[in-house]
Amino acid sequence: DTGVSQNPRHKITKRGQNVTFRCDPISEHNRLYWYRQTLGQGPEFLTYFQNEAQLEKSRLLSDRFSAERPKGSFSTLEIQRTEQGDSAMYLCASSTSNYGYTFGSGTRLTVV
Amino acid sequence: GQQVMQIPQYQHVQEGEDFTTYCNSSTTLSNIQWYKQRPGGHPVFLIQLVKSGEVKKQKRLTFQFGEAKKNSSLHITATQTTDVGTYFCAGPWDSGGSNYKLTFGKGTLLTVNP
Repeated sequence: DTGVSQNPRHKITKRGQNVTFRCDPISEHNRLYWYRQTLGQGPEFLTYFQNEAQLEKSRLLSDRFSAERPKGSFSTLEIQRTEQGDSAMYLCASSTSNYGYTFGSGTRLTVV
Repeated sequence: GQQVMQIPQYQHVQEGEDFTTYCNSSTTLSNIQWYKQRPGGHPVFLIQLVKSGEVKKQKRLTFQFGEAKKNSSLHITATQTTDVGTYFCAGPWDSGGSNYKLTFGKGTLLTVNP
């Protein structure tokens, strides 16, 4: 068990480009979450999967954001037509029911 | 609006001094969790508190859940430089009491002068 793995660690992209991030959760964990964190703030909820079902998506998430978790294993988060305001650390976490999250190391996105 | 208030935002201490951070909610919580994030790192789960008035200890760290389940505290005795980081409380404020979606406070950044 190597924990939650996220790729890439860093991504620099030009405004308007699409980006995709990948998260591999702990295999026994059926719950997977995406959070976004900006400097000086706590992690902010984006979306949640239980197995392959996406059960909730934050109102903060515009239509440019989409997440998938095919077959209830790894997950991808795609941002289309990136904007400078999308620059942040994107954190993936997984958990079993009703217990603490295990976070990955995150993907730091910089939109220039 | 703000559902959780964490204070203080920043705390600088001399090594060996004690440190406390507080988390206050306007609503009753089914549980509360604490996480630590080192500079440049990711949040790491420390503990979950569930019962009213619960107190749990991890070496020099003492966690407490208020009687009304609306507040919590983390106390560190005799801080060390390894305690440096941001401490977040997190609770299921928006998820109907289930644990699946946590809302995090803004955190308390602790720095320790050796």
